[in-house]
Amino acid sequence: AQSVTQLGSHVSVSEGALVLLRCNYSSSVPPYLFWYVQYPNQGLQLLLKYTSAATLVKGINGFEAEFKKSETSFHLTKPSAHMSDAAEYFCAVRGGGATNKLIFGTGTLLAVQP
Amino acid sequence: NAGVTQTPKFQVLKTGQSMTLQCAQDMNHEYMSWYRQDPGMGLRLIHYSVGAGITDQGEVPNGYNVSRSTTEDFPLRLLSAAPSQTSVYFCASSLGATGANYGYTFGSGTRLTVV
Repeated sequence: AQSVTQLGSHVSVSEGALVLLRCNYSSSVPPYLFWYVQYPNQGLQLLLKYTSAATLVKGINGFEAEFKKSETSFHLTKPSAHMSDAAEYFCAVRGGGATNKLIFGTGTLLAVQP
Repeated sequence: NAGVTQTPKFQVLKTGQSMTLQCAQDMNHEYMSWYRQDPGMGLRLIHYSVGAGITDQGEVPNGYNVSRSTTEDFPLRLLSAAPSQTSVYFCASSLGATGANYGYTFGSGTRLTVV
């Protein structure tokens, strides 16, 4: 069965520092992978997606993620954190079968310190 | 504005009461789904639908019913509310029912408390 594991439920960085949020996946088929962001009291918003094209995927707000098959990873990075990046981030993998189900990780709460 | 609309935004229920959470989208999306979000557990899939008249169970379907009579609407029914159903509920839709080229569009959520 497909699953994702997000390492670190809380990550804190200083403004201007590198952001690295970790996601490892398990999938019996070539995976489709996604990162979503959730700001307080809002729904989730798509940051970026990997669907078997380029392994380095660029998303909104300066985020990017690299698909590494050998490491079964899809880590999210941003070179320089901004206060507005403080939010919860979810990694997701397409579920098995023919439908478009997504299986979500447990989330990583990013805090950005001034 | 195009998107996914969830109502109500907040609800308090007594144990044993029933209610329906509404979800409507105006983007002609085939795929719709319901998730619940609980602290430390991420989002868990309750039910989903790949088109009008077609629904299926997700990871945590017990205590919930759904129907999809139109493309636009996908209500979630709690038959007899329990405190374990206290959660934030999100409805999400996707253009395609198959082929994960499409990301989800999420509603803003319904915060449900069962006392």
